[in-house]
Order: sequence, then C-alpha cells, then structure tokens
Amino acid sequence: EDKVVQSPLSLVVHEGDTVTLNCSYEVTNFRSLLWYKQEKKAPTFLFMLTSSGIEKKSGRLSSILDKKELFSILNITATQTGDSAIYLCAVESRGMRFGAGTRLTVKP
Amino acid sequence: DAGVIQSPRHEVTEMGQEVTLRCKPISGHDYLFWYRQTMMRGLELLIYFNNNVPIDDSGMPEDRFSAKMPNASFSTLKIQPSEPRDSAVYFCASSLGGSAGQPQHFGDGTRLSIL
Repeated sequence: EDKVVQSPLSLVVHEGDTVTLNCSYEVTNFRSLLWYKQEKKAPTFLFMLTSSGIEKKSGRLSSILDKKELFSILNITATQTGDSAIYLCAVESRGMRFGAGTRLTVKP
Repeated sequence: DAGVIQSPRHEVTEMGQEVTLRCKPISGHDYLFWYRQTMMRGLELLIYFNNNVPIDDSGMPEDRFSAKMPNASFSTLKIQPSEPRDSAVYFCASSLGGSAGQPQHFGDGTRLSIL
C-alpha cells in the first residue's frame, strides 16, 4: 500500500527561525512529489518535484527531492507569523496520496 | 481568473438526507478530483475524472457515495443516505494533464456536517 509520512506532525517556532519539514514515501510508479500550504481553506500549491537533487526555490521557501532515499524536505528560512499553516506533502503515483501534514506555528 | 468553484460552502443536514456537492473546475482543465478531509484521516482522494470520464473511484468509501461529471465545467458528489461519519470538508480540485504531474488547484471546499 502506498504511504506518505510527514514529520514532525506539529512544530512551534519563533519568528526568524529556520524550519525543515520532512516527507518520506513508499509508492509504486512514482511520478512527482508536491508540497502544498493549507491555511484556513484550500491547499495552495508550493512546489512540484520530479527529479532528485534539484532544489526548487521560491523566496524563503525551498524544497528538494531524493528519489533514492525516497524523501523530500521543505525548508523555510527567516520564518514569519504568516508562515503558520499546515504543510502537506503529496505524492502522485497511480493517484494522489497526501501525508497527514505538518502543522507549523510561528510565534512573534 | 476564476479558480475552482465549489458550492455550497457549508451544509448542515440530518442523517438520512441526500447531500449534493457541486464543483466547477478551472476552464480548460481536463482533470477533476474530489477529496475529503478530516482530522482523523487527513486528505483522502475519493475519485478523479479525466475528460469527464471517471478514472479511479477506489477511494469512494461506499455505495452511498457517487460522483458524476456530465460536462467539462461541472461535477457533483452525492451522498445518499448521509451519515454522521460523512461529516468532513470536501474539496474539489482540477488540473491540466493531471497524470503528468501538473499541480492541482483546489476549491475552497464544502464543510459538511451531518447531524
């Protein structure tokens, strides 16, 4: 059975801290790994990763995929209170399977 | 540009009633997905369509759930009869070329409460 496991489940930091969120997976026919940010409503797309070792970057957020070790990390530097959200990792194989998410709280 | 539009935003109904959730995907997108999100189970894929045809409905929990996509701009998810354990947020998402790993764009969801 396909699995996507995120860690930690919950994280509390202070503004300015750097955080690393983890996503490991076991799926057949891997196609891509996606990161989403979910605040109060719908998940919003952050990154899509298909190749190992190529960092995707958007402002203070970056992500990288390791297809050999079957994991991805999402880094957020200089965190702000607006980064508080649930971060979801999803792996596309035969369908789309989401991890349980990491709830990030950034305190002022 | 209009995103994925879902209705209603909230639905509260008594168990045993029929519930119909609606979704309008982004124009031009050829994949449409229905998800359910709960605290216990997270985000689960229920069913997805490609060019209005259901491709994988293995996530549909039981026969009480059904989904249709009569045309490229409209889909419904129906629960009949509804039960309290169906209470969740139901999301619709669409993408262009979903199987090629294109990101899905989500609607704001329908928060369903079955009493």
